[in-house]
Amino acid sequence: GAVVSQHPSRVICKSGTSVKIECRSLDFQATTMFWYRQFPKQSLMLMATSNEGSKATYEQGVEKDKFLINHASLTLSTLTVTSAHPEDSSFYICSARSGGRRDEQFFGPGTRLTVL
Amino acid sequence: QKEVEQNSGPLSVPEGAIASLNCTYSDRGSQSFFWYRQYSGKSPELIMSIYSNGDKEDGRFTAQLNKASQYVSLLIRDSQPSDSATYLCAVSFKTIFGAGTRLFVKA
Repeated sequence: GAVVSQHPSRVICKSGTSVKIECRSLDFQATTMFWYRQFPKQSLMLMATSNEGSKATYEQGVEKDKFLINHASLTLSTLTVTSAHPEDSSFYICSARSGGRRDEQFFGPGTRLTVL
Repeated sequence: QKEVEQNSGPLSVPEGAIASLNCTYSDRGSQSFFWYRQYSGKSPELIMSIYSNGDKEDGRFTAQLNKASQYVSLLIRDSQPSDSATYLCAVSFKTIFGAGTRLFVKA
């Protein structure tokens, strides 16, 4: 399958700092990228949908000013968690939609964020 | 009603048996359906996608879709201990996920 990378894979930060997570589709151009959050023993929760060159669409209950999404190109989307707090500690996963004839969605390996 | 519903399990099957995972969805207009496998601490991995009614087979996996009943299933033949994971059903490209079914395959 197609490859999606995320960086960093793990980050520990102090409360109040901002953390940027990068998501890249390595061997295809992604029509759309998605950002999910997963708390322990829970399912993935969609946070926002990101299209290149336009503003992200946030799901209900997700603060757009706290979770800044930038989709600079067809292969790169970034999620910035601003002024992170311990309750933001979670597993953040991006995915990219391949589009085209075989339109599928591929996930990055995830970023585990721990806010102290 | 939740948009995508799965039995959370755990579902326990002996090695070599067939594991059957089920999923129902509420949006009758949904066109795309996916099964993902997620190991603990890892991100989901796409196993199967299915778009039309009927069966789709890929190796030991068979996805079944019945749009009239709003039902999609995944069969795993000759289950192996390495199949033990949480299986997530997802609907549409906005990808609304079910809560997942934990599968245990006993050696």
